[in-house]
Amino acid sequence: GNSVTQMEGPVTLSEEAFLTINCTYTATGYPSLFWYVQYPGEGLQLLLKATKADDKGSNKGFEATYRKETTSFHLEKGSVQVSDSAVYFCALSDRTGNQFYFGTGTSLTVIP
Amino acid sequence: EPEVTQTPSHQVTQMGQEVILRCVPISNHLYFYWYRQILGQKVEFLVSFYNNEISEKSEIFDDQFSVERPDGSNFTLKIRSTKLEDSAMYFCASPRTDTQYFGPGTRLTVL
Repeated sequence: GNSVTQMEGPVTLSEEAFLTINCTYTATGYPSLFWYVQYPGEGLQLLLKATKADDKGSNKGFEATYRKETTSFHLEKGSVQVSDSAVYFCALSDRTGNQFYFGTGTSLTVIP
Repeated sequence: EPEVTQTPSHQVTQMGQEVILRCVPISNHLYFYWYRQILGQKVEFLVSFYNNEISEKSEIFDDQFSVERPDGSNFTLKIRSTKLEDSAMYFCASPRTDTQYFGPGTRLTVL
């Protein structure tokens, strides 16, 4: 079956630190992979996605590369800001987007 | 990003009362989803709805829940007799190609 395993938090970093949030997946077929972000008090927003192996999704300085050999989609950012404080969810879907599976979420707090 | 809207943003109700949560998905979409997120926990799939019928539902989606499409653009999630453990954020989502776009959520508080 399909599932997503995500690094547990919470994660606390100082501003300008390097961020990695690990995500691995189990899937049948060829899923699409996503990172969603949830800012305090808000809904889920699509941060980035990748649809096939070796694709790199990027947005707002965040990056994640679809690694089929390691079944991973780790989220990285070279220099985090206080405004990046949020909960980050890794997810996968089948090709239609009709079946979505979320990780448990990783809370990130960035301190000045 | 395509817009999905939800109302109300916050609903407070007494245990045992009925609540109706509303969603307006991406226009002309026939598919939409409801998810639940209990405070501090993961996002859980509740139900998918396609062309006026339930397509798939999780074990959370018991007889207390129902979904409807009362008109061409609105979808609703009804909880017939709320329980304390129904307190959560409820998100609807609308797919476009392989991506789901989420509404801002309704925070349901059951007292």
